[in-house]
Amino acid sequence: GAVVSQHPSRVICKSGTSVKIECRSLDFQATTMFWYRQFPKQSLMLMATSNEGSKATYEQGVEKDKFLINHASLTLSTLTVTSAHPEDSSFYICSARSGSGYTFGSGTRLTVV
Amino acid sequence: GENVEQHPSTLSVQEGDSAVIKCTYSDSASNYFPWYKQELGKRPQLIIDIRSNVGEKKDQRIAVTLNKTAKHFSLHITETQPEDSAVYFCAASIIGTASKLTFGTGTRLQVTL
Repeated sequence: GAVVSQHPSRVICKSGTSVKIECRSLDFQATTMFWYRQFPKQSLMLMATSNEGSKATYEQGVEKDKFLINHASLTLSTLTVTSAHPEDSSFYICSARSGSGYTFGSGTRLTVV
Repeated sequence: GENVEQHPSTLSVQEGDSAVIKCTYSDSASNYFPWYKQELGKRPQLIIDIRSNVGEKKDQRIAVTLNKTAKHFSLHITETQPEDSAVYFCAASIIGTASKLTFGTGTRLQVTL
């Protein structure tokens, strides 16, 4: 079946630094990738939709200059959290359409200290 | 945009009993309704889905019903087991390559012995 590989699984960074999260579709081409954020005991909230070769579409309230998304190829999308602050600590997870459904990455637990 | 509401937020049942989780959606154009099970720190796992051209779908102990007129759909788990304990999310989308998933708020199911 379709697999999306997400790295890193866990990252701890200092306030003010940037963190890059990668999602790769391993056995299919993902022209569209979705990036979600999930705070503890809450639902998955869509942050942005990344499209291969074009600019990402951000949901209302999500700062595009803070959460940089790059989808340079049909198999790779990256999310960079810039100038991270403790309130950015969360579980970030990507997803791609595959066949008739959606395939999720394994998620990245970001802790900003 | 789409808005998905989910109830209850927590549900405790005894082993062997049935569990029912209900969701409503707002966008009448939505035509794909998956249900996910998520364990702590893990990616959501698809357990069943339904499209708008059918009213009910069953897979062993799990069933989903859809009422397009009322814009609500429900998850039914029969003969619950302790391993069913997890957080369950409903979601809705419009089938298409750029279609995003909108998640419900989640239900924490606890199956007690």
